[in-house]
Amino acid sequence: DTAVSQTPKYLVTQMGNDKSIKCEQNLGHDTMYWYKQDSKKFLKIMFSYNNKELIINETVPNRFSPKSPDKAHLNLHINSLELGDSAVYFCASGYLRDTEAFFGQGTRLTVV
Amino acid sequence: GQSLEQPSEVTAVEGAIVQINCTYQTSGFYGLSWYQQHDGGAPTFLSYNALDGLEETGRFSSFLSRSDSYGYLLLQELQMKDSASYFCAVRSQTGANNLFFGTGTRLTVIP
Repeated sequence: DTAVSQTPKYLVTQMGNDKSIKCEQNLGHDTMYWYKQDSKKFLKIMFSYNNKELIINETVPNRFSPKSPDKAHLNLHINSLELGDSAVYFCASGYLRDTEAFFGQGTRLTVV
Repeated sequence: GQSLEQPSEVTAVEGAIVQINCTYQTSGFYGLSWYQQHDGGAPTFLSYNALDGLEETGRFSSFLSRSDSYGYLLLQELQMKDSASYFCAVRSQTGANNLFFGTGTRLTVIP
């Protein structure tokens, strides 16, 4: 099936750990994103990645780092997890300058 | 920077019409999009307005006024399954060129 898929769907981990979330799209899109959705449902852009150009939202802590082995994958690595990192993280893909983005199912991260 | 403001909650009766507003401030503007998100689900694209006016897609319509930096999503013949969160979104033309989402509106459809 053509889609944006991210794994895992749920992730429970302890403070201070390092974790990764994987994302893959087979839609042929040239741009991928990571969003954080908090308990108030705000969808906050964290990163976008287009043709090896990474755009970072300046408010994102440097404990968060995206890694893209190729244009179909954009993984999210998080170091030294904190309680405030608990949220749902969405990967998405689309075409540059297009406002239609396709979202993955989300990863619910809980830091305890 | 970008900011997109929406009402936080709207309640409407099944079969009725509801309008969800969005006012935005952005550096550069490619157009206004709308997304729907059911509880526990992912946002899904509904509609897009690049130019002023009304775009209709079935029961859903979206309106844009660029001079007013304002748009709205109109949902007609409301169904229970329309209960969800609705987000407006803009793409910035500045260096980030990112897709920014509004604060979201929680729509509850009641019998």
